[in-house]
Amino acid sequence: AQSVTQLGSHVSVSEGALVLLRCNYSSSVPPYLFWYVQYPNQGLQLLLKYTTGATLVKGINGFEAEFKKSETSFHLTKPSAHMSDAAEYFCAVDPGSNYKLTFGKGTLLTVNP
Amino acid sequence: NAGVTQTPKFRVLKTGQSMTLLCAQDMNHEYMYWYRQDPGMGLRLIHYSVGEGTTAKGEVPDGYNVSRLKKQNFLLGLESAAPSQTSVYFCASTHTGTGLNEQYFGPGTRLTVT
Repeated sequence: AQSVTQLGSHVSVSEGALVLLRCNYSSSVPPYLFWYVQYPNQGLQLLLKYTTGATLVKGINGFEAEFKKSETSFHLTKPSAHMSDAAEYFCAVDPGSNYKLTFGKGTLLTVNP
Repeated sequence: NAGVTQTPKFRVLKTGQSMTLLCAQDMNHEYMYWYRQDPGMGLRLIHYSVGEGTTAKGEVPDGYNVSRLKKQNFLLGLESAAPSQTSVYFCASTHTGTGLNEQYFGPGTRLTVT
């Protein structure tokens, strides 16, 4: 069974600083990988996804993630944090066989002025 | 398109009461899901449906029932609410045609059981 580990339940950065949110997964087959963002009191919104092909994936709002099969990682980055990036971020994995996603426990990103 | 909608947005129940949460999607998606979100626990799958008239158990199905009588609607029922069911409930749906499980989420229902 697949699992997703998000290192750090809370990450705090200053405005303009690099954002790095970590996600590691375990899957017996090459998976599909997703990052979702949840703004306060809202549902989840897809940020970006990896299916096949290019391992560096670009998403909305300047975020990107790199799939590293050898490290079983899919870390999310943004070069310069903005106050509006404050939200909770969820990494999710789908092994591609049963249409069920497994989510990490989430990382709350705080951006300080 | 409205996407995925959920009603109600908020609800307070007393222990032992029952209620039904409604999820509707207008994207003609085949698969639909119900999750609960609790602090520090991420999202946990309660039940899901692979098509009209079919349902299946997820990770935490106890205390919940579901029905999918119409393709666009997925109902989640609590027959006898318990304080442990205080949570935020999210519905999601996905299209199976691409083979990619990109799920679209509703805005959530915040349920408090006292």
